[in-house]
Amino acid sequence: LAKTTQPISMDSYEGQEVNITCSHNNIATNDYITWYQQFPSQGPRFIIQGYKTKVTNEVASLFIPADRKSSTLSLPRVSLSDTAVYYCLVATNGAAGNKLTFGGGTRVLVKP
Amino acid sequence: EAQVTQNPRYLITVTGKKLTVTCSQNMNHEYMSWYRQDPGLGLRQIYYSMNVEVTDKGDVPEGYKVSRKEKRNFPLILESPSPNQTSLYFCASSFRRDRVMAFFGQGTRLTVV
Repeated sequence: LAKTTQPISMDSYEGQEVNITCSHNNIATNDYITWYQQFPSQGPRFIIQGYKTKVTNEVASLFIPADRKSSTLSLPRVSLSDTAVYYCLVATNGAAGNKLTFGGGTRVLVKP
Repeated sequence: EAQVTQNPRYLITVTGKKLTVTCSQNMNHEYMSWYRQDPGLGLRQIYYSMNVEVTDKGDVPEGYKVSRKEKRNFPLILESPSPNQTSLYFCASSFRRDRVMAFFGQGTRLTVV
């Protein structure tokens, strides 16, 4: 399983864009990059996944360079309710057991 | 509404008293799993199930049992709980063909005294 590295924490202010970069140097050809969001005492929530280039949905954008060794989650115009822990995962749909390996995540604090 | 439902949300019990945490999903997912989350250790997989009557151990299965008699339900059983099983537990489900996109339950906070 490819190991991921992301910052421990980030502070931001309401209305700003937050960008969280994740490193995954050992990503395999069949791996997808997936991001989850977790609020305190709640289950993780799937935000976005991608394989290469850029993916955008109603919540976030995911930028993946050509070498796929890193990815950046972009949260546009954050609000106080975006304060949460964000996890970057690298996983393969075909992997036996399908264990989603959650690292330490990035704790994002949005200030007024 | 598509969801994974766990019960109970909170539970305090005594050492050795058998308990079951239920998990149910309404999305017809084949794949279901249980995780525990502890400070500093992140989320660790306990057991998973690829389909009905098919279960297997995750990273930390000791002290736990599971069963998958129906597609929608995947209960977690602690036959003889101990204080080191005090944790926050999450059930998750997904389609087999898209397992990286999992749906998690709201969690069960278990305290064993």
